[in-house]
Amino acid sequence: DQQVKQNSPSLSVQEGRISILNCDYTNSMFDYFLWYKKYPAEGPTFLISISSIKDKNEDGRFTVFLNKSAKHLSLHIVPSQPGDSAVYFCAARGGSQGNLIFGKGTKLSVKP
Amino acid sequence: KAGVTQTPRYLIKTRGQQVTLSCSPISGHRSVSWYQQTPGQGLQFLFEYFSETQRNKGNFPGRFSGRQFSNSRSEMNVSTLELGDSALYLCASHESLVSGAGELFFGEGSRLTVL
Repeated sequence: DQQVKQNSPSLSVQEGRISILNCDYTNSMFDYFLWYKKYPAEGPTFLISISSIKDKNEDGRFTVFLNKSAKHLSLHIVPSQPGDSAVYFCAARGGSQGNLIFGKGTKLSVKP
Repeated sequence: KAGVTQTPRYLIKTRGQQVTLSCSPISGHRSVSWYQQTPGQGLQFLFEYFSETQRNKGNFPGRFSGRQFSNSRSEMNVSTLELGDSALYLCASHESLVSGAGELFFGEGSRLTVL
């Protein structure tokens, strides 16, 4: 069973608009969430994270929102740029001894 | 500071063979994790090592194994290869004791094709 779900395999957005990537999780023990970005032929790179004690974390154009009651988090990219086109992975940690569990990813395409 | 280095980057094997992949973590990082990425399946956790000890293991068959050396370099081995083992194998290093604490730094991966 999938503990971290990214239900949208792909998303297409116009340059300058907002990109919203969604992620749902099932394990209420998860206490730390991360987003990674992956370009083809490269390894994933860390983008932004949020602890379960917060509901929002911002870093430049990237903001992650966490709704614990809904077990949902989202990544907002404003404004979107063509260079943001990549696969975005949501990941969650289950407790202090847990490994990172990743979703299947969402491929974002930002059109000029 | 050099990043995570994985070798080889690409390799082709046939069913029944075995393969060994290597990973050199970032200098000073003592934890290494391995993930398998297949189309549509995301990153699936294989195992994690810290100070030459396996600390966590994912839900993969015993054909998948790994080890870590005293210099923190790690290898993973897949024996009796199957077509379904074709994937990108990613290694990640981190400073913390367990991979979940803080971010992972990934290598570029080893692309394995099984024919």
